[in-house]
Amino acid sequence: SAVISQKPSRDICQRGTSLTIQCQVDSQVTMMFWYRQQPGQSLTLIATANQGSEATYESGFVIDKFPISRPNLTFSTLTVSNMSPEDSSIYLCSVGERVETQYFGPGTRLLVL
Amino acid sequence: EDQVTQSPEALRLQEGESSSLNCSYTVSGLRGLFWYRQDPGKGPEFLFTLYSAGEEKEKERLKATLTKKESFLHITAPKPEDSATYLCAVRGGSEKLVFGKGTKLTVNP
Repeated sequence: SAVISQKPSRDICQRGTSLTIQCQVDSQVTMMFWYRQQPGQSLTLIATANQGSEATYESGFVIDKFPISRPNLTFSTLTVSNMSPEDSSIYLCSVGERVETQYFGPGTRLLVL
Repeated sequence: EDQVTQSPEALRLQEGESSSLNCSYTVSGLRGLFWYRQDPGKGPEFLFTLYSAGEEKEKERLKATLTKKESFLHITAPKPEDSATYLCAVRGGSEKLVFGKGTKLTVNP
């Protein structure tokens, strides 16, 4: 399976600011996904990022709040914009050749004050 | 809308005490049911994929089974290192996985 890294691993941010999370894979992959994992809640898909096309967002998530880039087959970024305490969560990227075969990164733990 | 419910939310076992975790699902056209293990501070680690009722998969002390409405993750003679949160997910007709909230398993020595 692919080796996936995320930066930063954790951060504490002030409300109203933005944070960009990076996801790097050690091999080329077709699909990259961004998830949010809030305490006591299910792992929830934010968007699917495919290289060369706009990200596809799930219901309840919008591009202005969570802009995503996918400049090549090994890298993607997720920005959490104009943050509020409700954005405090773990953000995870996953990669795979198909929806059914996803491997997850270690996650980014975000606390918004 | 695809839904996944896992039970119990938390389970405490003594080392060697076998048990099962449950994953109930409603989905329009199951295209796969997935089990992941998540350790604290880490991302989910893939364990199994099941595609059709009656299918079973095994890995060490874990065995996953699937019916038309639910899946079980059986843990035989667990060890403390099996302590983790176990996540269940399904893929239906949409291009995404839908996850349950997980079962937190603690195995005491």
